[in-house]
Amino acid sequence: GENVEQHPSTLSVQEGDSAVIKCTYSDSASNYFPWYKQELGKGPQLIIDIRSNVGEKKDQRIAVTLNKTAKHFSLHITETQPEDSAVYFCAASKDQAGTALIFGKGTTLSVSS
Amino acid sequence: EAQVTQNPRYLITVTGKKLTVTCSQNMNHEYMSWYRQDPGLGLRQIYYSMNVEVTDKGDVPEGYKVSRKEKRNFPLILESPSPNQTSLYFCASSWESGSTEAFFGQGTRLTVV
Repeated sequence: GENVEQHPSTLSVQEGDSAVIKCTYSDSASNYFPWYKQELGKGPQLIIDIRSNVGEKKDQRIAVTLNKTAKHFSLHITETQPEDSAVYFCAASKDQAGTALIFGKGTTLSVSS
Repeated sequence: EAQVTQNPRYLITVTGKKLTVTCSQNMNHEYMSWYRQDPGLGLRQIYYSMNVEVTDKGDVPEGYKVSRKEKRNFPLILESPSPNQTSLYFCASSWESGSTEAFFGQGTRLTVV
């Protein structure tokens, strides 16, 4: 079955710096790759996603890149702010509806001011 | 407001005492699932349901049951809880035409002593 590896497990940056989180997946049939942000005491919330027919997607300070050949995708956060501090999860799915998500183990991002 | 509601938020119980965690969504989503979140292991899927009366096992189904009698509700049942089921549980729903975003509940922290 699908396996998603996520690195690093923890990441500390200064406010204003960029943060990059990387994930690799094993099943070449996966075609949907969302990123979720989990704040303390809350459930995960979708922040950005990408499908396998797209190489890059951007939404303000957040971008995701996908390399299908290498089977890895990355989350890029620019101009980090303290409110970006949270746990971030990548996930992969191979069904059209984006269900049956397989999650990475998560990255705890700390942004210090 | 679109939301997934779980109850209870916190629960302490004793080994062997049957319990049910409820989950309800108001978005008319077809797909619902349960995850457990453990430190260092990320989110692992327990059970999922593609529609009413259709359920299937996820990655870690042992010791759990689910039912989907109505589209909006997807309760998680622990017939005989054990301490290794102490965890943070999340219900999620997704899939309406044109959208793959999964919405998560606020979580249920279960402690089995």
